[in-house]
Amino acid sequence: QSALTQPASVSGSPGQSITISCTGTSSDVGSYNLVSWYQQHPGKAPKLMIYEGSKRPSGVSNRFSGSKSGNTASLTISGLQAEDEADYYCCSYANSSTHVVFGGGTKLTVL
Amino acid sequence: QVQLQESGPGLVKPSETLSLTCTVSGGSINSYYWSWIRQPAGKGLEWIGRIYTSGSTNYNPSLKSRVTMSVDTSKNQFSLKLTSVTAADTAVYYCARAGGYNSPWVYWGQGTLVTVSS
Repeated sequence: QSALTQPASVSGSPGQSITISCTGTSSDVGSYNLVSWYQQHPGKAPKLMIYEGSKRPSGVSNRFSGSKSGNTASLTISGLQAEDEADYYCCSYANSSTHVVFGGGTKLTVL
Repeated sequence: QVQLQESGPGLVKPSETLSLTCTVSGGSINSYYWSWIRQPAGKGLEWIGRIYTSGSTNYNPSLKSRVTMSVDTSKNQFSLKLTSVTAADTAVYYCARAGGYNSPWVYWGQGTLVTVSS
């Protein structure tokens, strides 16, 4: 069982927007603005898409955005494209004992 | 361009020690935090631990009793040892680089599959 809770799957049609939630606790997501999101295509290493809750690394499309409310972080992908079909994982700093926690991952299907 | 490459045995017997090395090229290993992350087939990511180039480490509490990480700055390499392995340790193991203690992982290795089986 993962420390952060994500929906197992989400889907959307090309051009639509989807949001993936990532629910933690006041010991991780709620206490630190240190949530990151990773995209993983089959057989590939994860790729950083969002860090510190809402920041995009250079080269990541502005169709990807992140936010947080309380103990829940969210990843929104607008203007869905076929290439966005992948697994998405959230990750948060937890505390000085646990350090790092992941969500269980969400499979995004572009219909 | 920074590149990371995992290496080590792809098959380890139960109760033995899993040993992997990550070689960093295209940049220095110094002044970064280096992590190991694993992923069982069809499952999610699990952080194993991290090491700073000074040798300071942090481990996942669930694995702490079995994990040791080390760094060899002269070779631009860092390593993972996981003792007393079982089938539950079968996974793709990734090495990754973070710019700071709580920074995200921008650079990842391609991953290496380690199977625990007799």
